[in-house]
Amino acid sequence: DVKVTQSSRYLVKRTGEKVFLECVQDMDHENMFWYRQDPGLGLRLIYFSYDVKMKEKGDIPEGYSVSREKKERFSLILESASTNQTSMYLCASSSGVSRNTEAFFGQGTRLTVV
Amino acid sequence: AQTVTQSQPEMSVQEAETVTLSCTYDTSENNYYLFWYKQPPSRQMILVIRQEAYKQQNATENRFSVNFQKAAKSFSLKISDSQLGDTAMYFCAFCLFGNEKLTFGTGTRLTIIP
Repeated sequence: DVKVTQSSRYLVKRTGEKVFLECVQDMDHENMFWYRQDPGLGLRLIYFSYDVKMKEKGDIPEGYSVSREKKERFSLILESASTNQTSMYLCASSSGVSRNTEAFFGQGTRLTVV
Repeated sequence: AQTVTQSQPEMSVQEAETVTLSCTYDTSENNYYLFWYKQPPSRQMILVIRQEAYKQQNATENRFSVNFQKAAKSFSLKISDSQLGDTAMYFCAFCLFGNEKLTFGTGTRLTIIP
């Protein structure tokens, strides 16, 4: 059974903290993604990676960075958490959506910044 | 840039009835893919159905079918014989051929009433 695992389902952090959200996939996928989900805004792409150590900015990268040191792991980093980063964060992986495969998602991390 | 619009924030329907969720998109490209994803209360995103733009035939998956109107840039999802388990957020998504990034709409919250 294919799996994308996010390290936490719920997380509460203080303003100014450095926050790490971890995502691991066991499908040997090249592509990994971080999305942010907010009510009324849908899912918005923060960053994606198409190979180890490779990354590209998505639509809303400000305040975030990423790390992909190994193929199976993609980390999202909030350098200095702020209350407007309170949201649901979804990780996804794929071997090629445009090659008739699908993207698989983790169960999300609901982050609250206080 | 591509955009995806879902104009129905919420819908509800009686069990066993048929419901149609709307989605429109905007692109100047000719080769792309369209998707409907389901997100139940468990938060796990599940692919419901996909459509390749070069295919004229509408995709179907059991009780789920789409009405793809390429000229109108419309991609609606029809759920027949709706079941309580269909209660979820539904997201329409778009992906250009050769590009792995999914662009999502804002979602439609569907409630199936017993």
